[in-house]
Amino acid sequence: DVKVTQSSRYLVKRTGEKVFLECVQDMDHENMFWYRQDPGLGLRLIYFSYDVKMKEKGDIPEGYSVSREKKERFSLILESASTNQTSMYLCASSITAPGLAGWDEQFFGPGTRLTVL
Amino acid sequence: GDSVTQMEGPVTLSEEAFLTINCTYTATGYPSLFWYVQYPGEGLQLLLKATKADDKGSNKGFEATYRKETTSFHLEKGSVQVSDSAVYFCALSTIDTGNQFYFGTGTSLTVIP
Repeated sequence: DVKVTQSSRYLVKRTGEKVFLECVQDMDHENMFWYRQDPGLGLRLIYFSYDVKMKEKGDIPEGYSVSREKKERFSLILESASTNQTSMYLCASSITAPGLAGWDEQFFGPGTRLTVL
Repeated sequence: GDSVTQMEGPVTLSEEAFLTINCTYTATGYPSLFWYVQYPGEGLQLLLKATKADDKGSNKGFEATYRKETTSFHLEKGSVQVSDSAVYFCALSTIDTGNQFYFGTGTSLTVIP
């Protein structure tokens, strides 16, 4: 079974702190994603990565950065946390099937509920 | 751009009732379609998927048929159980968007005994 793990289930931080959210997958997937989930807004893509050291902005990258130094690990960084970043953060990973791109299932971690005070 | 619109919730049903959650999509390419489920306190899990027109995805008694003519992928179950209480997300992915997914806003389902 594919397993995607996230470093914390719950996190409480103060405004202005630097926050690291870690995600690890154990199935050698090329692609990794960070989403935030908010009531009434569904899932919104923050950043994604197709390979080591490669990153692409999603729909809402402002206030966030990412790091992918190893294939299995994808970190989300909040450089200076703000209260409007209080949310559920979900990490996902997937493979890419050459010639069939666009149908690959994403596997999700359990999520990190971040509260910024 | 590509997008998914799904039925507003919340939905409350009695056990053994019939469930339909509507999902329609807009896509410039030829998408694959997915339903994900999120149980309380957990991440999303793939429930079912369909990759071409008229395909029917099915799992755990849930079904959805890819209808290109109506750009729809409605989720159905003939007899819901209390354990089906969760949030359901419709999603699409197309070759034009690489492996990016576009998710609907989710529909919360509560099944009462």
